[in-house]
Amino acid sequence: SQKIEQNSEALNIQEGKTATLTCNYTNYSPAYLQWYRQDPGRGPVFLLLIRENEKEKRKERLKVTFDTTLKQSLFHITASQPADSATYLCALDQTGANNLFFGTGTRLTVIP
Amino acid sequence: DTAVSQTPKYLVTQMGNDKSIKCEQNLGHDTMYWYKQDSKKFLKIMFSYNNKELIINETVPNRFSPKSPDKAHLNLHINSLELGDSAVYFCASSQQQDTQYFGPGTRLTVL
Repeated sequence: SQKIEQNSEALNIQEGKTATLTCNYTNYSPAYLQWYRQDPGRGPVFLLLIRENEKEKRKERLKVTFDTTLKQSLFHITASQPADSATYLCALDQTGANNLFFGTGTRLTVIP
Repeated sequence: DTAVSQTPKYLVTQMGNDKSIKCEQNLGHDTMYWYKQDSKKFLKIMFSYNNKELIINETVPNRFSPKSPDKAHLNLHINSLELGDSAVYFCASSQQQDTQYFGPGTRLTVL
């Protein structure tokens, strides 16, 4: 069966450290993968998109890697801040038609 | 200037009722979506729709139907509401194969 698993339901990290979140998928062949941030009571907000032929993407303190052999994406937040505390969701588009299938999410808490 | 808006924000209703949730986007996008987020925060696509094609997630009961009066609107109609329909429903829009912009969500509670 198809699965998208984010292996930590919750992750606590000290301010200033690098947070690393993992997204593993099974029985998908995604055209691309996206990462979203969701704050309580709000809709998800897009952060980064990485395509199947890209290994790494960066945006300010954020970095995403995509390994189609391992079927895994890693999402890094460097120099983490309490304001980074939120739930982070990975999402796959298998068809290229932008129908996203979301992972289970990781709730990140950055401790001051 | 709200990019994707939904109404109502909260909806409380009795089992068996029929209800609608409205969604509007002012981004000029050609594709709109409906998602359901359950109590465990799992976000699942229900429909995607543009002016050419409606794609339905096969697991969605036919009590749920999207209706699009125009390109900027995609409303969600739900017939014969059940307890299990309680969730937060998100509307989203995108321009072709690109970032999706989500609305603020509608929390539906079925009593």
